[in-house]
Amino acid sequence: DVRLTQSPSTVSASVGDRVTITCRASETISGCLAWHQQKPGKAPKLLIYAASNLASGVPLRFSGSGSGSQYTLTISSLQPDDFATYYCQQYNSYPPTFGGGTKVEIK
Amino acid sequence: EVQLVESGGGLVQPGGSLKLSCVASGFTLSHHYMDWARQAPGKGLEWVGRSRNKANSHVSEYEYAASVEGRFTISRDDSQNLFYLHMNSLKTEDTALYYCVRALSSSGWYYFESWGQGTLVTVSS
Repeated sequence: DVRLTQSPSTVSASVGDRVTITCRASETISGCLAWHQQKPGKAPKLLIYAASNLASGVPLRFSGSGSGSQYTLTISSLQPDDFATYYCQQYNSYPPTFGGGTKVEIK
Repeated sequence: EVQLVESGGGLVQPGGSLKLSCVASGFTLSHHYMDWARQAPGKGLEWVGRSRNKANSHVSEYEYAASVEGRFTISRDDSQNLFYLHMNSLKTEDTALYYCVRALSSSGWYYFESWGQGTLVTVSS
């Protein structure tokens, strides 16, 4: 199985900060990477697919980049609604796997 | 608007069985791959299994995670827009919130696009 390692596991940030989360895969996943946001008590929500494509309705402050085995999610200016846990997910090979999550908390 | 509504969760004893249902609306189920994923309390996300739509069933119609293979079975009723997860021989480690997920294709690779709100399964004596 492809292992996904997210860093950091927790980030403390303020409204307006730029936040970057990294996802490293144990092998190349050819851009087949998605990012999901999950708020407490809620279902995950797709933000990014194919490494850099913004899902419908997702604010432009979210962006994704990367290739091969290393990917990043960037929030250009953190908003109050963005405090949540973020998961990367690969779908290049079976089984689809998730990273351990990065919690973005208020500083 | 795409909506996925799961039901059927509850408390079951180890070794027992449970059937989860997912009602899909806002799209035609028969056109889509569908997945089940789960999240143990306070833990991360885990894929459980996938059902390909019949147009693509020249390859295996179903895939399962190793942790549930042989115990869980996925089925679907496209005419009713219903998607199921049949769970047998349940273990305490199957305790989780189970999500129904619609998958979409990007260049032939399928990503998780829409999630239901989840239904909780608790396996305990």
